[in-house]
Amino acid sequence: AQSVTQPDIHITVSEGASLELRCNYSYGATPYLFWYVQSPGQGLQLLLKYFSGDTLVQGIKGFEAEFKRSQSSFNLRKPSVHWSDAAEYFCAVAGANNLFFGTGTRLTVIP
Amino acid sequence: EAQVTQNPRYLITVTGKKLTVTCSQNMNHEYMSWYRQDPGLGLRQIYYSMNVEVTDKGDVPEGYKVSRKEKRNFPLILESPSPNQTSLYFCASSSDRLPTYEQYFGPGTRLTVT
Repeated sequence: AQSVTQPDIHITVSEGASLELRCNYSYGATPYLFWYVQSPGQGLQLLLKYFSGDTLVQGIKGFEAEFKRSQSSFNLRKPSVHWSDAAEYFCAVAGANNLFFGTGTRLTVIP
Repeated sequence: EAQVTQNPRYLITVTGKKLTVTCSQNMNHEYMSWYRQDPGLGLRQIYYSMNVEVTDKGDVPEGYKVSRKEKRNFPLILESPSPNQTSLYFCASSSDRLPTYEQYFGPGTRLTVT
């Protein structure tokens, strides 16, 4: 069965610092992987997705993620965080009929 | 503008009073889905629909109903709401029959059942 684990519930970083949010998945076949961001009071917005090919995926807002099959991971990174990046981030893997979401990581950005 | 809309955005109701949350998309998507979001649990799928008149249960369907009479609309019905259905609800749609491609999410409906 598919599942997604986001081990960090809450992360705090300083503005301008680098960021890495962890995501581990469980899936039998080649996974379709996603990162979504949820700003306060908003719906979910797709940051990036991985289907196949290049394992380093570029997304919107300066985010990127790297698919590592050997580690069953799909970590999200950003080299320099902006205050507007404060939000909740969800990793997801596509199943046959739905998306399986992780429990989310809340990002706090301090000046 | 391509979007998924939900109404109402906020709703406070009492136990047992039937309610409907509407969802509409203007992208001609075949696939639509409802999720609920609870702290520490992420998003869990309630029901989904692959096309008009085709609906199926997700992971947490108990206490909910849906219908898909038109392609653009996918209402969520709570026949007899209970406090454990207090949650944040999201509707989503996708251009593919399967949710393997990008899903577009509505803004959410925060429901409180007292």
